[in-house]
Amino acid sequence: KQEVTQIPAALSVPEGENLVLNCSFTDSAIYNLQWFRQDPGKGLTSLLLIQSSQREQTSGRLNASLDKSSGRSTLYIAASQPGDSATYLCAVRPSNYQLIWGAGTKLIIKP
Amino acid sequence: SAVISQKPSRDICQRGTSLTIQCQVDSQVTMMFWYRQQPGQSLTLIATANQGSEATYESGFVIDKFPISRPNLTFSTLTVSNMSPEDSSIYLCSVGQGFSGANVLTFGAGSRLTVL
Repeated sequence: KQEVTQIPAALSVPEGENLVLNCSFTDSAIYNLQWFRQDPGKGLTSLLLIQSSQREQTSGRLNASLDKSSGRSTLYIAASQPGDSATYLCAVRPSNYQLIWGAGTKLIIKP
Repeated sequence: SAVISQKPSRDICQRGTSLTIQCQVDSQVTMMFWYRQQPGQSLTLIATANQGSEATYESGFVIDKFPISRPNLTFSTLTVSNMSPEDSSIYLCSVGQGFSGANVLTFGAGSRLTVL
């Protein structure tokens, strides 16, 4: 059974720092992995999607990596800003359409 | 990507009542999903809303409790029936786009329900 774990559960860093959020999964047989952010009172925003054949994806200050063999993905945020404060969710997609979700990392960027 | 409008955005409900959540998409989509996010927890898939046929429910969710309609490719409703405080959650509508209709998921803003 696929399980997704995100560590840490919460993280607070000063503005300007680079940071890494971690996501691990137990079954390497995945179709893709997706990172989302969730803001209070708002829906989920898809940040990056990495296909199983890819190693990383980049969008602006965000870089997501995928290592299927070790069951790990990281989300790297460069030069963090207060607007980056949100909960970041990792989800893996097995061979069917369903996503398996991590519990999220709550990120606070202090001005 | 598709734009999803969900309503109500939040509601406070009495025990034993039912509430219907609406999800409107600005384009036709093949796959529509309903998720629940209980306080402090991650998302759980309730069901896949199928156009023109009965929804496909995940383990632990039943049609009598969470009836779903999907009359066309841009609209779906989820009803939370006979609510109890344990149903207090955020309910999210999601659509799948891309290969096989579920490659990329887009979410609505969610409906936050509080059951007293």
